[in-house]
Amino acid sequence: EVQLLESGGDLVQPGGSLRLSCAASGFVFSSYAMSWVRQAPGKGLEWVSTVSGGGDETSYADSVRGRVTISRDNSKNTLYLQMNSLRAEDTAVYFCAKWPVIHMPYYYYMDVWGKGTTVTVSS
Amino acid sequence: QPVLTQPPSVSGAPGQRVTISCAGSGFNIGAGYDVHWYQQLPGTAPKLLISLNSNRPSGVPDRFSGSKSGTSASLAITGLQAEDEADYYCQSYDSSLSGWVFGGGTKLTVL
Repeated sequence: EVQLLESGGDLVQPGGSLRLSCAASGFVFSSYAMSWVRQAPGKGLEWVSTVSGGGDETSYADSVRGRVTISRDNSKNTLYLQMNSLRAEDTAVYFCAKWPVIHMPYYYYMDVWGKGTTVTVSS
Repeated sequence: QPVLTQPPSVSGAPGQRVTISCAGSGFNIGAGYDVHWYQQLPGTAPKLLISLNSNRPSGVPDRFSGSKSGTSASLAITGLQAEDEADYYCQSYDSSLSGWVFGGGTKLTVL
């Protein structure tokens, strides 16, 4: 069974840092691009970042560019999101999601989602 | 403000048909990028409902259908059931933003 399990969410002060992880199982992790998508309390979905299957291509939303780094360790079947200079508006549930292709999935969809991990930025 | 525009809410009685629209622009849907739909039941993660404008993944009932025309797309749900009550999101790619975009979401209420 294909599964994604996020972890690392926490309460952090403004300006702080956090690293989220997403453990993948049930599929050949390195063969698929992966993304982080977030959802602020009571709000809609917001795409955050995408990384290709090999980890050589990345893309970021304007709202997080320069503060966030997406990476993956294909030997550990794990996706990461390093978040720095956190702001109150970064408060959200962060989902990791799988794409059905290895390269940047411009025309595609996210076919598997994790249950999410909660990040709260507050003093 | 989401790049893709959806109505905040729609409603219908059991058995009825409802549609949810997703309006884009020449940088996303109108540029030829495909539209995909997700269903998010209360308190759960989003689930892929329709891919590549009109394809239903395995396990999705044929009561759900999608279409795309010009700069917009729509999701239709026929034979409405109580279990369809959820938030629905459209998604595409936007070349001006160089990123993936979602609609603001539509809350479906089954009366």
